[in-house]
Amino acid sequence: SYELTQPPSVSVSPGQTARITCSADALSKQYVYWYQQKPGQAPVLVMYRDTERPSGIPERFSGSTLGTTVTLTISGVQAEDEADYYCQSADSSNHFYVFGTGTKVTVL
Amino acid sequence: QVQLQESGPGLVKPSQTLSLTCIVSGDSINSGRYYWNWIRQPAGKGLEWVGRIYSSGITDYSPSLKSRVTISVDTSKNQFSLKLSSVTAADTAVYYCARERFPDYGSGTFGFDYWGQGTLLTVSS
Repeated sequence: SYELTQPPSVSVSPGQTARITCSADALSKQYVYWYQQKPGQAPVLVMYRDTERPSGIPERFSGSTLGTTVTLTISGVQAEDEADYYCQSADSSNHFYVFGTGTKVTVL
Repeated sequence: QVQLQESGPGLVKPSQTLSLTCIVSGDSINSGRYYWNWIRQPAGKGLEWVGRIYSSGITDYSPSLKSRVTISVDTSKNQFSLKLSSVTAADTAVYYCARERFPDYGSGTFGFDYWGQGTLLTVSS
């Protein structure tokens, strides 16, 4: 089965940089998407097609890719960025989607 | 402003079939270039993609749920629905519907850009 692996948690002080990785176990990597979810709320799209930021998402959010690992970077972390973050991608046939295991970002 | 709103029974007995509906407002479900998705999340756990449908009725399902899932669309009511048969306690979750837009050309999509607020579905006798 196709899996996406994320670190369970990332802790960062305000103003520092948080990096969240998403590693795919498939050789043929599809685009990765990132969602931010705060308690009791629906997820919010913060990055699509690896590196593209939706309108309304702060510039401190950026995406990068290296091989089968995609990284969401939050530069100058703010308290409001504390949330769970999920990556999402498709299998090689592009007929079904998988979410990553999720990363809890804690702002110290 | 695009809005999605899930509705459902809230409680379903084991072995029964759950039915959820997502009503779309602010946009036409039939306006093309959109997939309409169902995603669920058990309490305290991660997100799980259930499946999606295009306005023409073409569907894709999660391999782990494929034998029990049916997603349909009613363009006249601007809504789409999820049916999950033979439910067990493991199907207890918040169920979200979400819109996914895809480009005129090229690969990939624009992601799940609009989500409903989610509806809790509990499986219990």
